[in-house]
Amino acid sequence: AQRVTQPEKLLSVFKGAPVELKCNYSYSGSPELFWYVQYSRQRLQLLLRHISRESIKGFTADLNKGETSFHLKKPFAQEEDSAMYYCALSAGGGSNYKLTFGKGTLLTVNP
Amino acid sequence: NAGVTQTPKFRVLKTGQSMTLLCAQDMNHEYMYWYRQDPGMGLRLIHYSVGEGTTAKGEVPDGYNVSRLKKQNFLLGLESAAPSQTSVYFCASSYTTTRQQPYNEQFFGPGTRLTVL
Repeated sequence: AQRVTQPEKLLSVFKGAPVELKCNYSYSGSPELFWYVQYSRQRLQLLLRHISRESIKGFTADLNKGETSFHLKKPFAQEEDSAMYYCALSAGGGSNYKLTFGKGTLLTVNP
Repeated sequence: NAGVTQTPKFRVLKTGQSMTLLCAQDMNHEYMYWYRQDPGMGLRLIHYSVGEGTTAKGEVPDGYNVSRLKKQNFLLGLESAAPSQTSVYFCASSYTTTRQQPYNEQFFGPGTRLTVL
């Protein structure tokens, strides 16, 4: 069975500081990893996916299969980045439409 | 397009009452999902559907039933509500996975905040 671990429930940084939200996963196959974000009073939405290898809103995430990690990084945090962030994993095979979510990290960017 | 909509937005129930949450999507998605979101627990999959007329259990299905009579609608029912079912419920949908695109983005509704007294 797959598992996603986000070790930090809360993360607080100052505006302009670098930020890294950690995500580790457990899965024996080749997973697809995602980061979803939920801004205050808004619905959950996809931020980025590892297969796209793109930067969204200044965020990047690299899949490290050796360390089974998919940490989300941004070099200079902005106040509007304050939100709940969820790491999610999609398994291969016949279950690749289902997501397993981590417990989430609440990021607060202070002015 | 409205995307994924959920009704109601809020509801308060007494223990033992029943209710149905409605999810609708206008994106012609095959797959639909019901999650619950609890503090410190993240999102947990309750039930899901891979097509009209089909449903399957997720991670925490006990106490819930679902139906997918129409492709665009996915209903979540609580037959006898319990305080442990106090939560925020999210519906999501996604399109069919293909060989070219085996992993697809899920689109979420705005959520239903349910309190069971």
